[in-house]
Amino acid sequence: GIQVEQSPPDLILQEGANSTLRCNFSDSVNNLQWFHQNPWGQLINLFYIPSGTKQNGRLSATTVATERYSLLYISSSQTTDSGVYFCAVDAPITQGGSEKLVFGKGTKLTVNP
Amino acid sequence: KAGVTQTPRYLIKTRGQQVTLSCSPISGHRSVSWYQQTPGQGLQFLFEYFSETQRNKGNFPGRFSGRQFSNSRSEMNVSTLELGDSALYLCASSFSGAFFEKNYGYTFGSGTRLTVV
Repeated sequence: GIQVEQSPPDLILQEGANSTLRCNFSDSVNNLQWFHQNPWGQLINLFYIPSGTKQNGRLSATTVATERYSLLYISSSQTTDSGVYFCAVDAPITQGGSEKLVFGKGTKLTVNP
Repeated sequence: KAGVTQTPRYLIKTRGQQVTLSCSPISGHRSVSWYQQTPGQGLQFLFEYFSETQRNKGNFPGRFSGRQFSNSRSEMNVSTLELGDSALYLCASSFSGAFFEKNYGYTFGSGTRLTVV
């Protein structure tokens, strides 16, 4: 099945720094999403980005589907950005017409004041 | 617009018991899928329901089952609980059609944290 690899696994920043998180995937995908998991466990949808570039405030994301990778940029990081960031791809399933999300292992971001 | 609602938020059960978790999707979403998150295995797909039918199932034993009601609310059940079933169970809803219609992404609930003792 499709493989999703995220890097780096851990990232420690000082408040105000910028960072780039990477997601590589092994096969063609229909969709790609970036999530932030908060300390209470909820997955917050950051971007739905199967291709192209999107921006939302201090966050932006770029997916180059032909080269099978996506990048999440965080600028001017804040302590509230801490948490785990997941990349997930929507992998087609041959039987039943259903798709499912395949997740990477995540990048744990710690932003220190 | 209300989000995805999961109940209960926390559960503590004893080995051998069974448990039922509930998920109410976003209004208008007909697809509900379930995921299990553990420190060792990460986030793994359990199953997905669309229009009261299970469309796909992940690689989990038969003790894990689910169903979907006509209002799209879904429940998942785990029977004969084992210590390894302790996990965060997340439900996601999406606007998915019956015939490979475009999926505009998944929205997750807050999860149910199950502890088996």
